Amino acid sequence: QQPVQSPQAVILREGEDAVINCSSSKALYSVHWYRQKHGEAPVFLMILLKGGEQKGHEKISASFNEKKQQSSLYLTASQLSYSGTYFCGTGKGGGADGLTFGKGTHLIIQP
Amino acid sequence: DTGVSQDPRHKITKRGQNVTFRCDPISEHNRLYWYRQTLGQGPEFLTYFQNEAQLEKSRLLSDRFSAERPKGSFSTLEIQRTEQGDSAMYLCASSLVVTGAGYEQYFGPGTRLTVT
Repeated sequence: QQPVQSPQAVILREGEDAVINCSSSKALYSVHWYRQKHGEAPVFLMILLKGGEQKGHEKISASFNEKKQQSSLYLTASQLSYSGTYFCGTGKGGGADGLTFGKGTHLIIQP
Repeated sequence: DTGVSQDPRHKITKRGQNVTFRCDPISEHNRLYWYRQTLGQGPEFLTYFQNEAQLEKSRLLSDRFSAERPKGSFSTLEIQRTEQGDSAMYLCASSLVVTGAGYEQYFGPGTRLTVT
């Protein structure tokens, strides 16, 4: 079942903070966050695993609440380059299988 | 590490024609995934391979779709008798899955299919 993302869209000024949420009606084992710019491939940001392990490649933080079956992505002191559509994907395991993605959150950063 | 590559980047075809897309994963990656993405939606999982074995197929993958990864390296996705509803971006991703937990999937640039 597809995870639900909120908000659908956010407009911020450069330097402001943003929080993007991802929730599932099913038990979560892993949550994968990606950013996609228009016309480009999704770019991996972070994995959060049941049990608390995190793996990421950028200075972006996230939380994973197993009990509430939800994850949040925190973008602090946003930069213009953060603009794009953010997707969360959920995996049956650690992400070795296919992921089920939400519909995305559009983030626009204005100067 | 040259990243995941896909060919062609764009394909326009007439309804009823067959099309084939190719994906070259990151060289040491053992898993390869196909997704489909339509405008305003997240990627939808289609199928994935562990080396040359196709381990899972989504119910989205109708009989007109077939994928293979003959030597465990590149993969092809074929759509037979294309329909207008097949118009989408077809994304390929790869990952290195070994013992442990937490596997990031790296996506290619996609092949945009337009069926007229």
